[in-house]
Amino acid sequence: EPEVTQTPSHQVTQMGQEVILRCVPISNHLYFYWYRQILGQKVEFLVSFYNNEISEKSEIFDDQFSVERPDGSNFTLKIRSTKLEDSAMYFCARGLARGELFFGEGSRLTVL
Amino acid sequence: SQQGEEDPQALSIQEGENATMNCSYKTSINNLQWYRQNSGRGLVHLILIRSNEREKHSGRLRVTLDTSKKSSSLLITASRAADTASYFCATVPGSGGGADGLTFGKGTHLIIQP
Repeated sequence: EPEVTQTPSHQVTQMGQEVILRCVPISNHLYFYWYRQILGQKVEFLVSFYNNEISEKSEIFDDQFSVERPDGSNFTLKIRSTKLEDSAMYFCARGLARGELFFGEGSRLTVL
Repeated sequence: SQQGEEDPQALSIQEGENATMNCSYKTSINNLQWYRQNSGRGLVHLILIRSNEREKHSGRLRVTLDTSKKSSSLLITASRAADTASYFCATVPGSGGGADGLTFGKGTHLIIQP
């Protein structure tokens, strides 16, 4: 099964800066997801994206976050003004409705 | 406790022994999935069991589901050093649309001693 490719693998940014994390889901799956995992904690659902629009989002996914699929292939997560507590691993995933998910290797975000 | 809680939090066993991890959840589910995560890496799907199934096998993995107790277990038989990882259960809600995100537990960190 083709993997989901995420870039960058690690990004260090200053508090208040904008960050864009990218994902290339190489498949025909319709559903795309972003999850985050704060170090040592559980994986938390952020948002799901279906048919080029947000389908579901969690309480974590506030106005600071946005997702896009600008060119039909890349799937991006933007954090407008980063906070210290945004430091985490961010995982992109793809899948079918209610089925197994295929995760990327993650993008580690460090906010200083 | 939150949806999808595993126990134990950590488990250390000798290579060749069996490892059992448990997961409990609170709300109705469509299915329950188990994932593995090696340190600093992405999650890898292991097995999915639907709410109308009671047991499922995949290689050295055996998963059970008891919807009356809202619990699941993952058994890894004949463990190997390469099985060292964190294992997470994740639930898909029984209601709602198809794009509902998985709800993960906190995971069990499994260490296989050679």
